[in-house]
Amino acid sequence: GALVYQYPRRTICKSGTSMRMECQAVGFQATSVAWYRQSPQKTFELIALSTVNSAIKYEQNFTQEKFPISHPNLSFSSMTVLNAYLEDRGLYLCGAREGRNERLFFGHGTKLSVL
Amino acid sequence: QQKVQQSPESLIVPEGGMASLNCTSSDRNVDYFWWYRQHSGKSPKMLMSIFSNGEKEEGRFTVHLNKASLHTSLHIRDSQPSDSALYLCAAAPSGGNYKPTFGKGTSLVVHP
Repeated sequence: GALVYQYPRRTICKSGTSMRMECQAVGFQATSVAWYRQSPQKTFELIALSTVNSAIKYEQNFTQEKFPISHPNLSFSSMTVLNAYLEDRGLYLCGAREGRNERLFFGHGTKLSVL
Repeated sequence: QQKVQQSPESLIVPEGGMASLNCTSSDRNVDYFWWYRQHSGKSPKMLMSIFSNGEKEEGRFTVHLNKASLHTSLHIRDSQPSDSALYLCAAAPSGGNYKPTFGKGTSLVVHP
């Protein structure tokens, strides 16, 4: 079956430090990977959409300088939160799209806490 | 501006009752809709997807889509306490403009 592994599941970092999270698609080819942040208030924000053979598209309020993403192949994507502060807290989710159909699979998410 | 609007924000139904959740997109390019369920402390799990007009049923869950109005609804019959969760609607256009966008969700509580 199709699975998306995301790690770490949770992390705590000091204010001003950085942390990297990884997303791996297993059992299918992820033609695009969407990174989201779910705030403590449960609102979903799309950070960026990474599509194979295309540039990574960042949404308003999110930049490559703050959230650099690497998507080297069809099964792996990573995102780093640079200089994390309190407002970066939340659950970061990667959603991988299978081929060209409508299915979008999520990893378990990485819960980021900032001290 | 929220492109995917969900209503109601919260819903309480008795066990065995019917829960009806709504979702509308303001993006005319949308082709795909998904419904996800997120239990507290967990990541969202896809319940159903729909991209054709009409109705789709899987077990106790039924999804309707009206592409003309870009409105989809999720109906849960014989609701169970285990159905209590945040229900999220997502929408995306197809092709090169693919970008799944989520609504704020409907919090469903099914009380015994």
